[in-house]
Amino acid sequence: DTEVTQTPKHLVMGMTNKKSLKCEQHMGHRAMYWYKQKAKKPPELMFVYSYEKLSINESVPSRFSPECPNSSLLNLHLHALQPEDSALYLCASSQGGEAARVKGYTFGSGTRLTVV
Amino acid sequence: SQQGEEDPQALSIQEGENATMNCSYKTSINNLQWYRQNSGRGLVHLILIRSNEREKHSGRLRVTLDTSKKSSSLLITASRAADTASYFCASLYNTDKLIFGTGTRLQVFP
Repeated sequence: DTEVTQTPKHLVMGMTNKKSLKCEQHMGHRAMYWYKQKAKKPPELMFVYSYEKLSINESVPSRFSPECPNSSLLNLHLHALQPEDSALYLCASSQGGEAARVKGYTFGSGTRLTVV
Repeated sequence: SQQGEEDPQALSIQEGENATMNCSYKTSINNLQWYRQNSGRGLVHLILIRSNEREKHSGRLRVTLDTSKKSSSLLITASRAADTASYFCASLYNTDKLIFGTGTRLQVFP
């Protein structure tokens, strides 16, 4: 299995809703990432998990809460979002550590989130 | 911000022509990677060049890296309509922080 699977592919939520985005990989990768991408812009790093521990939080608002239940799963819990949070949310994985110097990341196809 | 710049922002060429995209980054990196994105969906890794390498080839792709100028270029030779996509360079800082450049939108006309 060489894929990163993200669910759902599309999500529409109200500003008072609570929802979760899910990401799964079975490549034995030990690092997983969340990126946010607005239309016609590059992906922006949000969070990095390395060996199931949060290693980087790029000053993301607390209404976004990441969780890494095990080495294959990564969740992003959403609560009280704003319309400007509407974007494509991308999950990625990599071997992590020193292997990251020679191997690229594998990205999922993303969740397109609309906040109404 | 560690985000790099790419140019051109957009490029339109005919099938069979070569496409060159340039990328500049801010500080010392471990490697530089290039990704393709079709229609705003997932990114596909194309090629990686390490900081101690100067040039690398993969099929129709050629990437160069000049660490003294903090710049890289991606050349796609003999382009095809299927190469139409957005292309992003991405710089790896430490071993776990991959930061993307601003991107180049490539349109290849049949």
